Amino acid sequence: EVVLTQSPATLSVSPGERATLSCRASQSVGSNLAWFQQKPGQAPRLLIYDASTRTTGIPARFSGSGSGTEFTLTIGSLQSEDFAVYYCHQYNNWPPWTFGQGTKVEIK
Amino acid sequence: QVQLVESGGGVVQPGGSLRLSCVASGISFSRYGVHWVRQAPGKGLEWVAFIRYDGDNKYYIDSVKGRFSISRDKSRNTVYLQMNSLRPEDTALYYCAKDVSRSPPIYIDLWGQGTLVTVSS
Repeated sequence: EVVLTQSPATLSVSPGERATLSCRASQSVGSNLAWFQQKPGQAPRLLIYDASTRTTGIPARFSGSGSGTEFTLTIGSLQSEDFAVYYCHQYNNWPPWTFGQGTKVEIK
Repeated sequence: QVQLVESGGGVVQPGGSLRLSCVASGISFSRYGVHWVRQAPGKGLEWVAFIRYDGDNKYYIDSVKGRFSISRDKSRNTVYLQMNSLRPEDTALYYCAKDVSRSPPIYIDLWGQGTLVTVSS
C-alpha cells in the first residue's frame, strides 16, 4: 500500500500570500497523483490530476508539480475561498487507492 | 449538469446492514468506473471500494472485505454498496465518486454529497 504523507498538517497564511503544500509517497507513483480541495460541509473537488494538470474551471493560481515520491501544490495569492483542507491522492498502485491525511489552510 | 446523489445512510446497530445507493444524472453511469470513499467524523478520506464500468472487476479495502459488496444496475444508472456486519468504526460519511475512465480506472473527477452512516447501539 502506498502511504501518502502531507505536510504541514496546518498552514496559516494571510490572504494574498502564497501557500505551498507537500505530499510525499512511500514509493514512486510516477505522475499519477491528484489534489482535491474540501471545504466544510462540502464534498471534495478535483483541482489537479497527473501531478500538474489543472482540471476545467480551476484558477491558474493553483499549480501542481513533482513526480515519483515528492509532490507540491502551490496556491499563489490566496483568496478567501481557498481556505480549506487539501488532500493528495495516488492512483498509480491500486488497490487500495490512497489519500494523504490532509493539509488545512487557515487564515493567519 | 452531471450530478451524483447518494442515499440509504442512517443509524444502525453493530452487526446490522445498510444498502447505499448512488444515482447519476446527466451522464450514462455505465460508461465509468465508480468508487466509494468514506470520511469518518473530523477525519480524512479513505477509499472503500471500486467497481469497473461493466461490473466485472471489484476491489475493496481489506477492512471491509467479506462484509461490503459493491454492485451496479445499468438500467437504473445506479451503483450500490451493500454493507453487512457493520461495526462502530464504519461510522462515516460515504461518498460515491466517479472515475474519469471506463477502464482501467485512473482518477476520481466527480463526487456526490455523501450519505451518513452511523453504527451505534
